[in-house]
Amino acid sequence: DIQMTQSPSSLSASVGDRVTITCRASQGISNYLAWYQQKPGKVPKLLIYAASTLQSGVPSRFSGSGSGTDFTLTISSLQPEDVATYYCQKYNSAPQDTFGGGTKVEIK
Amino acid sequence: EVQLVESGGGLVQPGRSLRLSCAASGFTFDDYAMHWVRQAPGKGLEWVSGISWNSGSIGYADSVKGRFTISRDNAKNSLYLQMNSLRAEDTALYYCAKDFHWDYEHGYFDLWGRGTLVTVSS
Repeated sequence: DIQMTQSPSSLSASVGDRVTITCRASQGISNYLAWYQQKPGKVPKLLIYAASTLQSGVPSRFSGSGSGTDFTLTISSLQPEDVATYYCQKYNSAPQDTFGGGTKVEIK
Repeated sequence: EVQLVESGGGLVQPGRSLRLSCAASGFTFDDYAMHWVRQAPGKGLEWVSGISWNSGSIGYADSVKGRFTISRDNAKNSLYLQMNSLRAEDTALYYCAKDFHWDYEHGYFDLWGRGTLVTVSS
């Protein structure tokens, strides 16, 4: 099975900072990667699919890149409402172990 | 309104059974695969099971294989999860999630319900 590894597991940054989260697949998955945002006590929300396509309604400060095994989620200017845990998900094959472990983003 | 509403969670003793339901509305239910995803308290997301649009393809996480059964009734716009032989480690918030695709094996989840809490304890 393909394993998804996110880093860091948590980070603290200031409002306005550029934040980058990394997701690495143990084997190539082309661009079959999605990112989700889960705010505290809330339901996960789809942010990005196909590695770099922004879901409708998602602010443009969010962006995704990568292909193959290495992917990044970038928040260009961190806002207080971006405090959340972010998960990557591969979908090139059956969903066993489909999610990364998550990255918790906090405000410094 | 496009939404998914889960029900059926609760407190159950180890070894007992529970059936979760998910009612879909606001979209053409039988066009899409559906999934159950769970989240143990303070932990990350874990995919549990998925089912294709016509129930022709079904999959389970190794952790629940042989104990859980997913099904759907397209006439009732409903998804189900029959959970047998429950264990303490099955304690989690169970989300119903819609796939963007008809095939459960190659999709991401573009709509989530609020979840239903399952607690397995004696």
